[in-house]
Amino acid sequence: KQEVTQIPAALSVPEGENLVLNCSFTDSAIYNLQWFRQDPGKGLTSLLLIQSSQREQTSGRLNASLDKSSGRSTLYIAASQPGDSATYLCAVRGIGTGFQKLVFGTGTRLLVSP
Amino acid sequence: NAGVTQTPKFQVLKTGQSMTLQCAQDMNHEYMSWYRQDPGMGLRLIHYSVGAGITDQGEVPNGYNVSRSTTEDFPLRLLSAAPSQTSVYFCASRQGRHHGYTFGSGTRLTVV
Repeated sequence: KQEVTQIPAALSVPEGENLVLNCSFTDSAIYNLQWFRQDPGKGLTSLLLIQSSQREQTSGRLNASLDKSSGRSTLYIAASQPGDSATYLCAVRGIGTGFQKLVFGTGTRLLVSP
Repeated sequence: NAGVTQTPKFQVLKTGQSMTLQCAQDMNHEYMSWYRQDPGMGLRLIHYSVGAGITDQGEVPNGYNVSRSTTEDFPLRLLSAAPSQTSVYFCASRQGRHHGYTFGSGTRLTVV
């Protein structure tokens, strides 16, 4: 059974810092991995999608990497801003019976202080 | 495009009542699914659909029914609400095999 872990559970940084959020998964047989952002009381906003054949994806100040063989993904946020404060969720989509299902981590709650 | 629209945003039910959570998408996505989010447990899949007329169970389907009569709509029915169904419910859709998921803004349900 696929399990997804996100470390740390919470992170507090001053504005301007570069930071890395970690996601690990137990079964390397994945189809793709998606990073989301969730603001308090809101829905999930997709940030980046990495297919299993890709090593990284970039969007603006965000860069996500994938090392499928070691079961790890990282989300790098450059020059953090107070508006980046949110919970970041990692979700893995499997293959076979797991193809129609996203398995989520419990998230990293990020606070960026001015 | 409105994306994925969920209604209502908030709902309070009494134990034993029934209700339907609505989900609609205007992106012509084939795949739609329902997740629930509970503190400390992450999001878990309830039911999903790969197209009109086709539905299947996810990880936590008990107490919930779904149907998919059109591509656009995928309602989630609670037949007899229980306090354990207090949660935030999210509907999500996906265009094709290689695409990511788009989520709605959620329905916060409290069963008392």
